[in-house]
Amino acid sequence: AQKVTQAQTEISVVEKEDVTLDCVYETRDTTYYLFWYKQPPSGELVFLIRRNSFDEQNEISGRYSWNFQKSTSSFNFTITASQVVDSAVYFCALSARGSTLGRLYFGRGTQLTVWP
Amino acid sequence: DAGVTQSPTHLIKTRGQHVTLRCSPISGHKSVSWYQQVLGQGPQFIFQYYEKEERGRGNFPDRFSARQFPNYSSELNVNALLLGDSALYLCATAHHLKKDWQETQYFGPGTRLLVL
Repeated sequence: AQKVTQAQTEISVVEKEDVTLDCVYETRDTTYYLFWYKQPPSGELVFLIRRNSFDEQNEISGRYSWNFQKSTSSFNFTITASQVVDSAVYFCALSARGSTLGRLYFGRGTQLTVWP
Repeated sequence: DAGVTQSPTHLIKTRGQHVTLRCSPISGHKSVSWYQQVLGQGPQFIFQYYEKEERGRGNFPDRFSARQFPNYSSELNVNALLLGDSALYLCATAHHLKKDWQETQYFGPGTRLLVL
């Protein structure tokens, strides 16, 4: 079975603070993919990043960075110098080779609020 | 290029009625998946279609059905609506499904369904 846990339900920070969103996943598959999506109030899920299980290299994209650690089954997301526009719900998702191809298993999401 | 489009954006129905939701994929995308997102939770997988064939189904009752058309657009149908069907229905599309590689899925803006 596949499972994603986002233990942080809500996080509030003040602009320019750094914030890390946690994601822990469970799967028995050796080949799997991890994703982060952003959901602003409009509702549309915006794709941020995809990582596969055999590539543990961390990635940085502007103010965003991701830390993938297979040893702890975690795929954490850090926003540096947060901005008000970063306020949204962030979802971590998992897709595994053993389940329906391409089926995404989502966590419950973390509501991030950035105050000016 | 146009993104994933969904119609209608909002819908209000009463219990027992039937509803049809529509999704048009990004040009060139042949895979369509449907997700249900209840308030405060992550999206839950309903169906996946590829090349007009159902490739996967989540844990939803038979009141839920879907199909994919030759132009790769898709419809989600829900019969005998219940109050609990009130949710945001999201459509996600991808180029294709490969056995050994996970394509990124891109989501539409969703249809907000309210059942009274």
